[in-house]
Amino acid sequence: GAVVSQHPSRVICKSGTSVKIECRSLDFQATTMFWYRQFPKQSLMLMATSNEGSKATYEQGVEKDKFLINHASLTLSTLTVTSAHPEDSSFYICSVLLLRGHFGYTFGSGTRLTVV
Amino acid sequence: SQKIEQNSEALNIQEGKTATLTCNYTNYSPAYLQWYRQDPGRGPVFLLLIRENEKEKRKERLKVTFDTTLKQSLFHITASQPADSATYLCALGIGSARQLTFGSGTQLTVLP
Repeated sequence: GAVVSQHPSRVICKSGTSVKIECRSLDFQATTMFWYRQFPKQSLMLMATSNEGSKATYEQGVEKDKFLINHASLTLSTLTVTSAHPEDSSFYICSVLLLRGHFGYTFGSGTRLTVV
Repeated sequence: SQKIEQNSEALNIQEGKTATLTCNYTNYSPAYLQWYRQDPGRGPVFLLLIRENEKEKRKERLKVTFDTTLKQSLFHITASQPADSATYLCALGIGSARQLTFGSGTQLTVLP
């Protein structure tokens, strides 16, 4: 089945630094990828929709200058958390919609970000 | 306001019994509804999709119903096993943007 690889799985960074998270579709091309954030015991909240070759679409309340998204190829989208603060500590997950097979979404394994 | 509610935060059942999880929504008109399984520290894994014009879908021990009048979906796991213990999320597919809106999940524990 379709595989989405997300890296790193865990990262600890100092407050004020930037962190890059990669999301790769391994066996198919993805023109659109979605980035979610999940706080403990809470639902996944959509942050932005990443479109290959164009600007990402951000959800209301998500700062586009803080969460930089780059989707430069059909198999790679990156999310960079800039000037991270402790309140940015969360579980970040990317996903891709499969337009074949079960038509569900395939998710990456997630990245646990801890800002100290 | 728009809401997606899953019946309870946690559900414990005995092995072999049928687990029934509920997803209710208000002020949405979803084209489809999906159920996912999420294990701790992992991304969700797709289980089933049911469209607005479908009443029921089955896959092995899983069954999903979708009642657009009641604005409710029921998710059943028959002959439950301890390995079924996880958090189950329902998600609505809204409009043509192909974005998903998730409920907060129900943590299911199947006791041996």
